[in-house]
Amino acid sequence: QVQLMQSGPEVKTPGASVKVSCKASGYTFTTYYLHWVRQAPGQGLEWMGVVNPSGGDTKYAQKFKGRVTMTRDTSTSTVYMDLGSLRSEDTATYYCARLAYPFGFDSWGPGTLVTVSS
Amino acid sequence: EIVLTQSPGTLSLSPGERATLSCRASQSIDSSYLAWYQQRPGQTPRLLIYGSFSRAAGIPDRFSGSRSGTDFTLTISRLEPEDFGVYYCQHYGSSPLTFGGGTKVEIK
Repeated sequence: QVQLMQSGPEVKTPGASVKVSCKASGYTFTTYYLHWVRQAPGQGLEWMGVVNPSGGDTKYAQKFKGRVTMTRDTSTSTVYMDLGSLRSEDTATYYCARLAYPFGFDSWGPGTLVTVSS
Repeated sequence: EIVLTQSPGTLSLSPGERATLSCRASQSIDSSYLAWYQQRPGQTPRLLIYGSFSRAAGIPDRFSGSRSGTDFTLTISRLEPEDFGVYYCQHYGSSPLTFGGGTKVEIK
């Protein structure tokens, strides 16, 4: 079965960077794009960007351009989301999700809580 | 960027009642790429409807999706206790992907 396993919770100070991983299993890694979505406490879902596991190309939401980098490692079927210059507003749960056309986001990781606090 | 506006913000209903949730797009979109997700408290989002009308695997038939122009609707015909939570619509046809702000369905 399809599984997306994410790295554990992180606590960071303002200005630092965080790198969250998402390891895929149960399907051919290079077949489906993987997206990152975040959710601040008590708030809605916010799309951050996408990485193509096959070619490594990416697209980012305008809000995060210059501050986020999404990469992949095909040898371990893992994608990464690196967010820099952290501020308190970045405190959120970060999800990876598989986009399987025509279905939408049919599988989600469990989420990684990132807390930014001094 | 396609903006999705969901209404109402909160829906207070009793089990057995019908729920009607709205999602309005800021411009015309391909109905093939409009999805609805359910998020129960403390859980990850779950795909309910894709392509505006089609139920995802394992989703009961009390959930249905419809469209009229730029207005999309999720209907839950008879609310069950496990249906209470927050519902999001999403456009996934092209970048940037966008989500609506969500509708909370709470027990009255």
